[in-house]
Amino acid sequence: NAGVTQTPKFQVLKTGQSMTLQCAQDMNHEYMSWYRQDPGMGLRLIHYSVGAGITDQGEVPNGYNVSRSTTEDFPLRLLSAAPSQTSVYFCASSYSTGGNYEQYFGPGTRLTVT
Amino acid sequence: QQQVKQSPQSLIVQKGGISIINCAYENTAFDYFPWYQQFPGKGPALLIAIRPDVSEKKEGRFTISFNKSAKQFSLHIMDSQPGDSATYFCAASPNNFNKFYFGSGTKLNVKP
Repeated sequence: NAGVTQTPKFQVLKTGQSMTLQCAQDMNHEYMSWYRQDPGMGLRLIHYSVGAGITDQGEVPNGYNVSRSTTEDFPLRLLSAAPSQTSVYFCASSYSTGGNYEQYFGPGTRLTVT
Repeated sequence: QQQVKQSPQSLIVQKGGISIINCAYENTAFDYFPWYQQFPGKGPALLIAIRPDVSEKKEGRFTISFNKSAKQFSLHIMDSQPGDSATYFCAASPNNFNKFYFGSGTKLNVKP
């Protein structure tokens, strides 16, 4: 299993450009999430999905869109990039077993907006 | 406003010592408390987790202590090793376990 994969690893955008961060998982997990990680802030939830066709907002959803057409894929779209969106983005997938929740993270995408 | 407060921001421990990281929360709806370990350039990885119906959980050298009345929980790393040097995050999740709230992280440096 490849686990959770993210592309690209690095990206530089100009203010106002749009782009899509790709995330895929091959573990058949129902739940997927997007986080951003900023120094001193930990990880903050952007959007999450409980299954194909179902998404919801997290703590910091503004400026981002998501969709979940398949169980495997959960892309994150930046509509009009701003310098405040410079961050490291992590995708995660998770499942529940025996009341415990296992969340697996991808390797991250480092995004710089100039 | 951070829902989970984590301290200290950084920690230096000698090899063989005990590393202790603390977290506090306010939301009584939280019912699942995981700890994650992150190495530079990698995504976080689940280390150990606890539910509020137990006060302590141990896995190898890692122990979570949980104080429900104080709304605090902590990670203890016994016999700390240089390979434990990483950033540690606590997190909390309410009944809807898709919404994880993370602490700000603790950078641990274990000196040989």
